[in-house]
Amino acid sequence: QKEVEQDPGPLSVPEGAIVSLNCTYSNSAFQYFMWYRQYSRKGPELLMYTYSSGNKEDGRFTAQVDKSSKYISLFIRDSQPSDSATYLCASHGSSNTGKLIFGQGTTLQVKP
Amino acid sequence: ETGVTQTPRHLVMGMTNKKSLKCEQHLGHNAMYWYKQSAKKPLELMFVYSLEERVENNSVPSRFSPECPNSSHLFLHLHTLQPEDSALYLCASSQVATYRAGYTFGSGTRLTVV
Repeated sequence: QKEVEQDPGPLSVPEGAIVSLNCTYSNSAFQYFMWYRQYSRKGPELLMYTYSSGNKEDGRFTAQVDKSSKYISLFIRDSQPSDSATYLCASHGSSNTGKLIFGQGTTLQVKP
Repeated sequence: ETGVTQTPRHLVMGMTNKKSLKCEQHLGHNAMYWYKQSAKKPLELMFVYSLEERVENNSVPSRFSPECPNSSHLFLHLHTLQPEDSALYLCASSQVATYRAGYTFGSGTRLTVV
């Protein structure tokens, strides 16, 4: 079983839709979770990070962690064509060396 | 220059060549990382340097050799590569104390081995 799993998509939505991106993880010791956005031909950029359970909101983006079900989500409200990218979830796991464990990434296309 | 800069952006090399990838960070960070990104696979950690000391080598073949001469620079020396090594190689940096808040990636070097 992969430590962090993510449906690769692709996911296609119309402009203005609410987008839900999801990941599951296997190790209950994981506590720090991140979402990265990667545009084509670019490196990933950090969107949000959360610690333990709960919600965190930043503009149109909301990150949610449910530790009881080992489920992490990213919601995008009022999606825009500029949101079209690959979204990567990640966790630091239980390592102290800075190692990040990534999901496969979900490719999102927002159509005008 | 700001952020994390990787050069070259694209590299095509034969299996018998020797080349190096360069990464430079202008963020005052003290930890640097090499990741490999292949199509339809999660990012794979290759090496971690913390305070210029290698702290993780994720079972990477010896044809990849990292070097971290100081906290701002990271190299990946390549020799006798295989076609399956073709991928996007990403460098990242962070502060050791706050690495759990995520790190900053460069744009990557797209490597093609022929």
